Amino acid sequence: RKEVEQDPGPFNVPEGATVAFNCTYSNSASQSFFWYRQDCRKEPKLLMSVYSSGNEDGRFTAQLNRASQYISLLIRDSKLSDSATYLCVARVRDDKIIFGKGTRLHILP
Amino acid sequence: DAGITQSPRHKVTETGTPVTLRCHQTENHRYMYWYRQDPGHGLRLIHYSYGVKDTDKGEVSDGYSVSRSKTEDFLLTLESATSSQTSVYFCAISDGLAGSSGANVLTFGAGSRLTVL
Repeated sequence: RKEVEQDPGPFNVPEGATVAFNCTYSNSASQSFFWYRQDCRKEPKLLMSVYSSGNEDGRFTAQLNRASQYISLLIRDSKLSDSATYLCVARVRDDKIIFGKGTRLHILP
Repeated sequence: DAGITQSPRHKVTETGTPVTLRCHQTENHRYMYWYRQDPGHGLRLIHYSYGVKDTDKGEVSDGYSVSRSKTEDFLLTLESATSSQTSVYFCAISDGLAGSSGANVLTFGAGSRLTVL
C-alpha cells in the first residue's frame, strides 16, 4: 500500500467551477505536506505547501487534517490553464519524501 | 530556477547492460533524490542522499544503486538493466528547512527517459 493515496481521476470540470481533491497518508508521523503540479511530459513543480492552519494562494486553498490523516486542495474559478496532474506529497520522516500517484484534472471550455 | 541538470536526457539500451544516470546541481543543496515515474504508478522514490556518502533506500530500490562522492553529483546506476526499468527518471534537490535538519521543497531536473530493449 502506498504511503500517500490519491484518487487518480480524471476530473473533468467546466471552466469557472470549483474542484476539490483529497489525499490520505498512512504514516501518522509524517511531518510536512505539499501539493505539486505536473504538466504533460514535464517535471513536477511546487504548487503550495500545506500548513496545519490551512493556507490560501490566490484561487488555491490547501487544508491539513492530522486527526483523519488527509490533505485537501481546493481550486476556485478554475481556468483552462489549471489542466494538469496534481501530486500530493508527504515528508514521512526527515529526509524521505513520498508522492501520491497524482490526480488528473481536465478543465473543459 | 535552481541549477539542476540530468544526463543523459534520453537513452536506449539493451537488457543486461549497465547504465548510469547523472544528476548534477550547482545549488550546494544537501539533499538529492532519484524518482522513477511510470503510468499508473506516479513518482516512486528509488534512493536519496542526505549528504556526501550518505544515502538510503526509497520505495523501489531493488536493481538500483547510487553514489554521492561530492555534493554536486548524485549518480544512479542500473548494474544490469531490465525491461521493467524502462521509465522516466527524475532527480530532485532540496536545501532543508531553516532551523531544522529536514528537507524542504523539492526542485526537479527535466528528467531522463530510459528505454531498455
